[in-house]
Order: sequence, then structure tokens, then C-alpha cells
Amino acid sequence: GAVVSQHPSRVICKSGTSVKIECRSLDFQATTMFWYRQFPKKSLMLMATSNEGSKATYEQGVEKDKFLINHASLTLSTLTVTSAHPEDSSFYICSARGVTSYNSPLHFGNGTRLTVT
Amino acid sequence: EDKVVQSPLSLVVHEGDTVTLNCSYEVTNFRSLLWYKQEKKAPTFLFMLTSSGIEKKSGRLSSILDKKELFSILNITATQTGDSAIYLCAVGQGGSEKLVFGKGTKLTVNP
Repeated sequence: GAVVSQHPSRVICKSGTSVKIECRSLDFQATTMFWYRQFPKKSLMLMATSNEGSKATYEQGVEKDKFLINHASLTLSTLTVTSAHPEDSSFYICSARGVTSYNSPLHFGNGTRLTVT
Repeated sequence: EDKVVQSPLSLVVHEGDTVTLNCSYEVTNFRSLLWYKQEKKAPTFLFMLTSSGIEKKSGRLSSILDKKELFSILNITATQTGDSAIYLCAVGQGGSEKLVFGKGTKLTVNP
């Protein structure tokens, strides 16, 4: 089945630094990937839709200058949390669809636990 | 506003019990409803439902969709401790690849 790899799985950084999270589709090409954020005991909140070769589409309330998304190839999307603050600490998950078809489910990466000290 | 509501929010049962998880939705241009299981890390896919009344089954898990009443249920029979997880319901909309997620049901199965 479709495999999505996310790296790193866990990162601790100091306030003010930037952190890059990678999302790779290992055995398929993904023209679109999605980035979610999950707070403790809460559901997944869609942050942005990452489109290969074009700008990401951000959801309302998500700062595009703070959460930089790059989708440079059909198998890789990156999320960079710039000038991280403790309130950015969260669980970030990416997902991708196996084929460009609405009839195939999304597959998720294993997530990245970000802790900003 | 599009929304997906899951109930109950949490549930504690004993091994061997049967559970039913509920998901109701109000979204524009419904396309599909999906169930995911989330343990410690990212969600894993369980079912995708697009048609009413057709039960999907995988082992002890089954799910069905009612597009008239706008809800779906996920059944788990003969529960095991390994079924303990958060079960997420999500709805896909036509013309978009986005999913709208419910808050999840946290299921705890005690031995």
C-alpha cells in the first residue's frame, strides 16, 4: 500500500529557531500533500494543502510566513516552522493520496512531535 | 459551516464487548466518509464509504453509511485491548481533496 514517511519523528528546539519537517511519499507520486496539526486530545486541524510546483494553500488563521511549505518534487513536501515559539509545540502530521483520485484514501505519515523550549 | 461530530467522545469497555461508534456530518457537496484508527502516532486508514447501506467489513470491524440521515457507524465486535485507540471520522467533499475531521472517539478496552 501507499507509504508516507515523515522525518523527524521528534524534535526539540529552542525558541526563536526554525525547524524543518519532511514528508515523503515512498512508493507513489503525490501532486498534493496535506499538513495537519494536532493538539492534545483534539482532532486533526488542516493547516495547508501543499501543491507540487506551486504555492501552498493555507487554511484560515494559519500564518503562511510562519509555516513555510515547499513541495519541490512529486515525492517530497517540507514544512518549516520559522522562529518557533513554545505555543508552536504540537504534533504535526502530513498526508498524501496515492493517486490523483478522490476515490483513494489519504495515507498519513507517522507525525512529528515538536517541542519548543 | 462544515462539521463532523463524533460520539461518544470516549468509551471504556471490557474485552469481548461490542462497541458502536457514531459519526454524523453536515458538509456541503459530500463525496466520501472515512474512518481512521489513531494509536500513538498517525492515523491508519480503516474504511472509505461512499454509498448508503453498503456495509464494509474487515475482520471484527465493520462500518456503514446512511447518506439520507447523514451519519455513519463503526462497529467493533469482540473487542481486544489492541483496539484501544482514537477512532477518527472524516468527510471528503467534492471538488476538494481536503478532509473535515471529527474530534474522535477515544476507545479504551480493558482486559
